[in-house]
This record gives sequence, C-alpha cells and structure tokens, in this order.
Amino acid sequence: DAGITQSPRYKITETGRQVTLMCHQTWSHSYMFWYRQDLGHGLRLIYYSAAADITDKGEVPDGYVVSRSKTENFPLTLESATRSQTSVYFCASSESSTGRLYGYTFGSGTRLTVV
Amino acid sequence: DAKTTQPTSMDCAEGRAANLPCNHSTISGNEYVYWYRQIHSQGPQYIIHGLKNNETNEMASLIITEDRKSSTLILPHATLRDTAVYYCIVRFYTGTASKLTFGTGTRLQVTL
Repeated sequence: DAGITQSPRYKITETGRQVTLMCHQTWSHSYMFWYRQDLGHGLRLIYYSAAADITDKGEVPDGYVVSRSKTENFPLTLESATRSQTSVYFCASSESSTGRLYGYTFGSGTRLTVV
Repeated sequence: DAKTTQPTSMDCAEGRAANLPCNHSTISGNEYVYWYRQIHSQGPQYIIHGLKNNETNEMASLIITEDRKSSTLILPHATLRDTAVYYCIVRFYTGTASKLTFGTGTRLQVTL
C-alpha cells in the first residue's frame, strides 16, 4: 500500500545499544523528517532531509544519526541509546515545493523505550 | 519561523462549531499558516493551510485576519472524533529545505 511506514512500531532496548528506526515512503517525496514527542515538549524536530544525500540538523539532533541514500528511506539511528531518548518517534514526508506548499504526512510512530 | 500562541485547552459540545484561535503576531509576508491535529497515539494529521485568503476544505475552514497576525480554525460541526490536540504552525517558504516547528497546541475536548 502507498504511504509512509515506520518500523518497528514498538522497541525496547538497553542503554548503550545501537538502534535504528526505519521510515519508508512510497510517494517519492523529496522532504523527509524525524520528530520526537515527549510529554511537556510537544513535537521536536531531530533531523530532516531535502533530498537523497542531503540532510540537516533540526532542534534536537544530539545522539542521533541519519542517512538518506535512497529517496524513499530515511533511517534514524541512535548510536548509543540513553534513557533520555525514550520517546515516541514520528517520521514525516512532504512533496517537493513547486510553488505551493503542501502538508506533511506523518507515519504512525515508533514507541522507543530505553531501559 | 514565526512563533505561535494557542490556548492550552478548549471544550466544545458535539454538533457545535469549534473555533480554535491562534496568534502569530510576528508573521512575515512569505509565511504560511498551517494547522495539524493529533489524535491520541497517532501521528499528526494535516488539516489545512493558507497564506492570506480564507480557506475551506472538507475538514475545516481557516480564517486569517487581514493583518495576518492571527487566525482561527473552524470545525463546523464538531464530533467526538474531533477530540485531539490541534497545532497552529507558521512556516516560511524557502523553495529548498523547509521544516515545521510544532508548539504544544490546543487540546480540544468534544463532549456530548
């Protein structure tokens, strides 16, 4: 089915482990984004990408790494997970700007718990 | 991106219009106003956006004041399924990389 898919839906990992959250979209959207959502903070941007091989930091990038080798995939890696990274992570994508902006489409989220 | 101010929470009776205000007094000429909502445990959902003119779609209407310093999202006939957190976001169109900055939004509770 077309859309934006995040995996896994739920993940529990130990402190210090590396974990990768996957995001896949089928629209060939140029822009992709990673947000985290915590109580009291709303949604905060971690990283974003304007196209394949173009990524940039958002508001809270420390402790995270992203890559965008293919347009449709935008994985987010926690190199050494910490308890403070326990959160719900949302991936989003957006069409290329052609004169008028369109909304973002969000995935269903990955609930990550670091113990 | 311009900062937005929204009430923390609002209540609305089912079947009534829900009017959600947003202040964005520092908005500049190229900045669009976007509205999203997030139903519990789900990813945010795009509702509507506008630049200067009022906009309407199947979900809602967006009223932007003439000076563009505030806007109102209107859900014409709220239902229980409209209970959610509603985010007002101002986004600058750069033509290259763009990003949305979410605030903490308005929690709308629709009641019987």
